[in-house]
Amino acid sequence: QKEVEQDPGPLSVPEGAIVSLNCTYSNSAFQYFMWYRQYSRKGPELLMYTYSSGNKEDGRFTAQVDKSSKYISLFIRDSQPSDSATYLCAMSGGGLDNMLTFGGGTRLMVKP
Amino acid sequence: DSGVTQTPKHLITATGQRVTLRCSPRSGDLSVYWYQQSLDQGLQFLIQYYNGEERAKGNILERFSAQQFPDLHSELNLSSLELGDSALYFCASSPSGGAAETQYFGPGTRLLVL
Repeated sequence: QKEVEQDPGPLSVPEGAIVSLNCTYSNSAFQYFMWYRQYSRKGPELLMYTYSSGNKEDGRFTAQVDKSSKYISLFIRDSQPSDSATYLCAMSGGGLDNMLTFGGGTRLMVKP
Repeated sequence: DSGVTQTPKHLITATGQRVTLRCSPRSGDLSVYWYQQSLDQGLQFLIQYYNGEERAKGNILERFSAQQFPDLHSELNLSSLELGDSALYFCASSPSGGAAETQYFGPGTRLLVL
């Protein structure tokens, strides 16, 4: 079993829909939680960054972390065709290093 | 544009060969990370350097090695290449490599081993 599990999709939604992306993890040492967006043939870019449990909002994006359930979510409101990409969750334990453990990614398609 | 540069963009080579991938971190960043992204394994951490010193090692094969030079650029050397080494290789950088720092990813090098 992988340390971080993520539904690979693809997830297809109409423009304007609310999108929910999720990851589960098994390592309770993870303290920092991130969501990256990756367009085809490009490098991942950071969307959201959360420390420990709680919610964080940035524009149309909301990240939620529930450490008790080992479950994190990313919500996208008013989804746009330009949101079509692969979304990767990532986590780190907060030691001396900054090694990230990634989920497998969910491919999202937003149709006009 | 993240400010991290990687060369070459594409590399096609044969099994058994050796290649070198190069990464220049963002201006001011002292820590460099290497990741491998393949269809079956996803994005996996290989190795981290901070100011020329190895800081953390992940699932890096013995056939692979890396180093960070005094000017802070880094190279990932892949030798005795196998078909399964075909993947996207990403470099990322951050200011000091500590926990909670955002990692900025480069555009990647696409390696195809034939």
